[in-house]
Formats: sequence, structure tokens, C-alpha cells
Amino acid sequence: NAGVMQNPRHLVRRRGQEARLRCSPMKGHSHVYWYRQLPEEGLKFMVYLQKENIIDESGMPKERFSAEFPKEGPSILRIQQVVRGDSAAYFCASSPQGDQPQHFGDGTRLSIL
Amino acid sequence: QKEVEQDPGPLSVPEGAIVSLNCTYSNSAFQYFMWYRQYSRKGPELLMYTYSSGNKEDGRFTAQVDKSSKYISLFIRDSQPSDSATYLCAMRRTDDMRFGAGTRLTVKP
Repeated sequence: NAGVMQNPRHLVRRRGQEARLRCSPMKGHSHVYWYRQLPEEGLKFMVYLQKENIIDESGMPKERFSAEFPKEGPSILRIQQVVRGDSAAYFCASSPQGDQPQHFGDGTRLSIL
Repeated sequence: QKEVEQDPGPLSVPEGAIVSLNCTYSNSAFQYFMWYRQYSRKGPELLMYTYSSGNKEDGRFTAQVDKSSKYISLFIRDSQPSDSATYLCAMRRTDDMRFGAGTRLTVKP
């Protein structure tokens, strides 16, 4: 029973490039959440998606960041024109329903040169 | 004031000690309370999930919720070096979840 799968585990980009982070939820889970974690800080909510719908994007920066969860395939968090401040660990979580506990992947560590 | 307050530590205890980890919160709308354990370079792992005030026990772990005081705790009995990790409290209202900053725990053999 595979858990939440995130890839890549590590991603290095130069300033101005695009970063694409992928998340495959646990089997049977249709709710996906993205969080950002900086060193010594807690998890900061970014966006909550259900298949083909964005439910809550209140934690997402208004520019350069977007997320999708298509009918088929993984959820994608996309960061355009990356800047040094985007360097962080990005975690994806999934749940079977919105009111159930979330289960996390091991994250993607994004480094911006 | 943050919605969820958690002492970041670090906390260091000898093996076998009882560990007490705590969080306070300000919004009475939070209904569900969770504790996650996060090892270095890994994702958070769900340890405990509670709804009502009172205690919930699972092996060496006990989660305690006091909604009247807006205070939650996690107790670890007979702590082991393998318990060394960062512990995150989390709480949810409807679809909205908030995390504490995490407490870094080291259990020394």
C-alpha cells in the first residue's frame, strides 16, 4: 500500500527557471494539499485541491505559483520564474475525504542557485 | 498572535524519561487535533488523531485535549532514542488545517 509519492526528491533550478513538483496521492485519496516548510519553521499551507478543482488557494502566492490536480495523473505544483526565496521543502499530503487526517509524502527539496 | 503556539525547544531528555509536548491555540473553531512526528529529511507521520476533550492512548503515546483551555499535549512514556524527531501539533476546522512550528526532541541513550 504505497504512501504519498513525491518527485523529484531534490530539485535544483537557477533563478528565472520553472520548477514543477509532482505528487501522487495515496490510493483511494482524492484530496490533495500542498505545504511549504522552511528550516526551523512549521508547515505553511499553500493550496487544497480535489480532482480537477481548487478548493482553497488562500496560502498560495498570487504570482508565479499555480497548482493543478487533473482527472488523470499526479497533482502538480508549478513555480514560474523562481527566485532564491522559493528555496524550501515542499510537502504534499492527501486524504480520502476533506475531514479525514492528512498523510504526507517525503517532500521535494527545492534549491535555487 | 499565532493561531497555534508550540515551543520549538530543543528538548533533550535521557532514555526512559517521560516527555511532555504542548501546544496552545487561540481559535475555538478548531475541532480536530493531531500530532505528527517528523524525522530529518522525511515527511510528517501521523501519530495521534483526536476530536473530543480528554485522553487518547496508543502504546507509549498519550494525546490530551483540553478545549476549555485551548491546550493540547502529547506524552511519551519510556522514551527511546528512536523517538528523537520533531513533533508537530496540528488542528483543523472544517477543511482548514494549521500546524505548530514543531518541537525538536532528542532522547539520549
